[in-house]
Amino acid sequence: NAGVTQTPKFRVLKTGQSMTLLCAQDMNHEYMYWYRQDPGMGLRLIHYSVGEGTTAKGEVPDGYNVSRLKKQNFLLGLESAAPSQTSVYFCASSYPRTSGRTSYEQYFGPGTRLTVT
Amino acid sequence: QQQVKQSPQSLIVQKGGISIINCAYENTAFDYFPWYQQFPGKGPALLIAIRPDVSEKKEGRFTISFNKSAKQFSLHIMDSQPGDSATYFCAASMRSGTSYGKLTFGQGTILTVHP
Repeated sequence: NAGVTQTPKFRVLKTGQSMTLLCAQDMNHEYMYWYRQDPGMGLRLIHYSVGEGTTAKGEVPDGYNVSRLKKQNFLLGLESAAPSQTSVYFCASSYPRTSGRTSYEQYFGPGTRLTVT
Repeated sequence: QQQVKQSPQSLIVQKGGISIINCAYENTAFDYFPWYQQFPGKGPALLIAIRPDVSEKKEGRFTISFNKSAKQFSLHIMDSQPGDSATYFCAASMRSGTSYGKLTFGQGTILTVHP
């Protein structure tokens, strides 16, 4: 199993440009999350999804949109990038409902380093 | 609003020493407290976790101590090794309600273990 994968690994954008970050998981997890990591601020939740077709706002949702059209994929979009969105973005997944075993562990992808100039 | 506060921001320990990282939380509805370990260029990975019905959990050299009345928990790394050098995050979550499964992270601690 590949676990959680993210594309791209690195990206440089100019202010005002748009882009989509793709997260994919092959663990049949119900829940998926997008975080951003900034020095001294830990990981902050941007948006999350508790199942296919559902999304919800996290702690810092402004400037981002998400979609979960397929259970295994969770997309994060930036419609008009700003320098304040320079960060490392992590996707995570959790809660293998089909196993019948409750698990709270989140599995993280390797991250996408985004720079907005 | 920072619901989980972590200290110190950075920590330097000699090989064989004890590393201690502390966290404090505000929301008494939190009932799951994991620690994540992150190596440079990688995503965080679960290291150890505790639920509030116990005061301590040990896995190998890693121990979580939990003080429910003080709303504090800490990670102790015994016999610290250079391979333990990483960033450590504490986190908290609720196992019920609309916030089920969502993690609130502390600010992170960069641990350096010198050989």
